[in-house]
Amino acid sequence: DQQVKQNSPSLSVQEGRISILNCDYTNSMFDYFLWYKKYPAEGPTFLISISSIKDKNEDGRFTVFLNKSAKHLSLHIVPSQPGDSAVYFCAASASGTASKLTFGTGTRLQVTL
Amino acid sequence: KAGVTQTPRYLIKTRGQQVTLSCSPISGHRSVSWYQQTPGQGLQFLFEYFSETQRNKGNFPGRFSGRQFSNSRSEMNVSTLELGDSALYLCASSWPRDPRSDEQFFGPGTRLTVL
Repeated sequence: DQQVKQNSPSLSVQEGRISILNCDYTNSMFDYFLWYKKYPAEGPTFLISISSIKDKNEDGRFTVFLNKSAKHLSLHIVPSQPGDSAVYFCAASASGTASKLTFGTGTRLQVTL
Repeated sequence: KAGVTQTPRYLIKTRGQQVTLSCSPISGHRSVSWYQQTPGQGLQFLFEYFSETQRNKGNFPGRFSGRQFSNSRSEMNVSTLELGDSALYLCASSWPRDPRSDEQFFGPGTRLTVL
């Protein structure tokens, strides 16, 4: 039972354009969402997070949008850079078990020149 | 500040054996979580330790166990290894001042191959 889903296993975007990575969840108890980036042979690196009391959070080139009614969140990267090429995981947690993250299966982003 | 370290980085075992993996969290961090990453399942939560006590547990069989020491270092043990245990095992540490805004810092992982 995949409670956090990333339905696009891969995405290719040109440098300078916007990258949009999507994530859906089914567990209505989730109230905190995070995005991680992972390079090969390294552990995931935290990118940005959002609490369910917000619908948008911005950090530099990265913006996360949360649509609670649709149980959907997205990560926007503008502008995309070649160094952004990595696997992106969305993750969610529920109040009371904040350290227990449920991850999606990841989307591999390729930013081309 | 040194990051999360995991040892060993690579390990090859045979079915039926047991294995112990080690994780040293970032200095000052008291929470350590373990995850298993496989190609088909993504990252799956194994368990979390805080102040030497298991605080959360995922849906893994009892062959998977862990512990945390007073210096916050953690070990996880897998007994009676199966082929399906081949995976990247990641540990993450955090200092949960405010669990709602905290993020976990991951180590590079231990790649376990079971033959």
